[in-house]
Parts: sequence; C-alpha cells; structure tokens
Amino acid sequence: DSGVTQTPKHLITATGQRVTLRCSPRSGDLSVYWYQQSLDQGLQFLIQYYNGEERAKGNILERFSAQQFPDLHSELNLSSLELGDSALYFCASSPQLAGDRDTQYFGPGTRLTVL
Amino acid sequence: DQQVKQNSPSLSVQEGRISILNCDYTNSMFDYFLWYKKYPAEGPTFLISISSIKDKNEDGRFTVFLNKSAKHLSLHIVPSQPGDSAVYFCAASAWGQNFVFGPGTRLSVLP
Repeated sequence: DSGVTQTPKHLITATGQRVTLRCSPRSGDLSVYWYQQSLDQGLQFLIQYYNGEERAKGNILERFSAQQFPDLHSELNLSSLELGDSALYFCASSPQLAGDRDTQYFGPGTRLTVL
Repeated sequence: DQQVKQNSPSLSVQEGRISILNCDYTNSMFDYFLWYKKYPAEGPTFLISISSIKDKNEDGRFTVFLNKSAKHLSLHIVPSQPGDSAVYFCAASAWGQNFVFGPGTRLSVLP
C-alpha cells in the first residue's frame, strides 16, 4: 500500500459527459501528479500540483483540468468525454518537487470507460 | 515522439534464470533514470534508480546498468522469481523536468 488513495476505482460513463477523479496523497506529501495510461501506452504525464499551485503541465487536453485543495487532496476533471479518453488514470505524490528527484508513490488508479 | 522506448512488449523467463529488460532513450539531457514495477490492479511501485554519474546500481536481486554513450539502460533480475511477473516501466528525467515513462515490458517468470 503506497498510501495514495484514488476514488473511484472504476467509472463508466457516456461520451459528452463530465467526471471527477479524486486523489489523496500520502501524508506529508506536497506534490501531486496525474498520469494517463491508455492501452499499451506508457504513463503520460498530465499535470503536477505543489502545495496547491500548478507546477508543471504535460500532455493535458484543454477539456481536462485539475486542482489541489488546501488539505492537499487533488481532483482531475474530465469534460466533454470522448471514446479515446478511456484509460487508467493514476495519481502519484512525492514530498517535494520532481526536480528534487523524489520517488513518486502511485495510487491504484481509476479505470475510466467512456461508452 | 517517444523519448523513452522499451522495444520488447513482453518477455518470458524461467524461474531462477536472469531477466534482462531493456530501455532506450533519445534525449541526451536525461540524467536520472528509474524502473517501476506494476502488478495488475495496482499502481506502479518504485524499484531502483540510477544517476548519470554512475553506470551501475545494485539493490539485492536487481541491478540497473546505464550506458550513456548508447543512451541505453537495462534492468537485470537475478535470480528471477514468479513474484517478479509484472509490467516494468523505465522512466527518465532531466533536471527540473518531470519523468518521461516508457510503454512498459511485461515480464512473465515461469515456474
């Protein structure tokens, strides 16, 4: 158990809908990262937050947004969903900025299926 | 453009033998590399890392080798055990940048 929790575990929805994925980082970790893993693809970095502020952006679509709250939990919002958004979404946390080469601890992921 | 490549999607090895997982990268600015292991229905877990100032790092049965001139790293598992069966991701980063992950290699260790 990494100490990172993600809810829900599974989500099935229809095209055009909007969903929210939730992540609670390990106790004491200030950085939260979101990744997308599509079929047979590596982990694609989406976005990073550090202590409530956006720190880095990767290949995140404009239809997607995220935020980190004062209690350090984070939410990833996916809107106007398309079939291609079906994927595993992982959240990870680390104590400091990625530039410090901290190990990232991953949650179990949320499997999103868009029908 | 894949900056981190794992050209073998899968690998099968007999229990007790050596498993060698390979990873190639294209970005010469990468100077820190990691391997993560992932079991089904779980998130990736950190396995071992190596900085570009070294060419080898060892942790128990796991050794990572880095060949900077070839932009290649490999993970050796000796001896392989059935519990090592998982997907292995290679990841790389340049200073101040986030990690770039490869597509993964599925290792099956046969009893």
